[in-house]
Amino acid sequence: EAGVTQSPTHLIKTRGQQATLRCSPISGHTSVYWYQQALGLGLQFLLWYDEGEERNRGNFPPRFSGRQFPNYSSELNVNALELEDSALYLCASTLLWDTEAFFGQGTRLTVV
Amino acid sequence: GQQLNQSPQSMFIQEGEDVSMNCTSSSIFNTWLWYKQDPGEGPVLLIALYKAGELTSNGRLTAQFGITRKDSFLNISASIPSDVGIYFCAGQGSGGGADGLTFGKGTHLIIQP
Repeated sequence: EAGVTQSPTHLIKTRGQQATLRCSPISGHTSVYWYQQALGLGLQFLLWYDEGEERNRGNFPPRFSGRQFPNYSSELNVNALELEDSALYLCASTLLWDTEAFFGQGTRLTVV
Repeated sequence: GQQLNQSPQSMFIQEGEDVSMNCTSSSIFNTWLWYKQDPGEGPVLLIALYKAGELTSNGRLTAQFGITRKDSFLNISASIPSDVGIYFCAGQGSGGGADGLTFGKGTHLIIQP
């Protein structure tokens, strides 16, 4: 069974641009979570999607947004990129209300 | 918001030694999880704990859900080179999936030859 897959693995953008990151959950999982892992800061909860709707978001500005598609895959969009947005962005999927989150390998976003 | 204090921040040990790390929280969690992350990879779930006092093993790994529901520890026995990596604790509160998981900052395990 395929795990959580993310693309691209690496992304380099310049300040002010937009970045789009993609995630495909494990088959049968309806919930997708996005986390930011910045150097030295651990994993910070960004967004939660389930059944196509945004269910909750962490303490991040509105320029971090996303969506979930009917097949439960998800996109994370980051607008007006800032240097501090450079981080590993991790996607995790679960069954609804299940706790055991399974992570993808992440997208390394570098803003220059 | 909820915060997790994970310690130690890093450990330098010899192959074959036992390892112990722990997490404490400022608030109660209903679930504790332990993950391992290798360089360039996403975290991999090692052990999940669902009940206060629960002690669960996965091979050489043992984890416990503290009685107060505000702490958890992970032990690794007889460490081997492939145990090198960053170990994260994570907790989930009463909100279920709504708040995502709260993660500790990780314990970096380094095995000296």
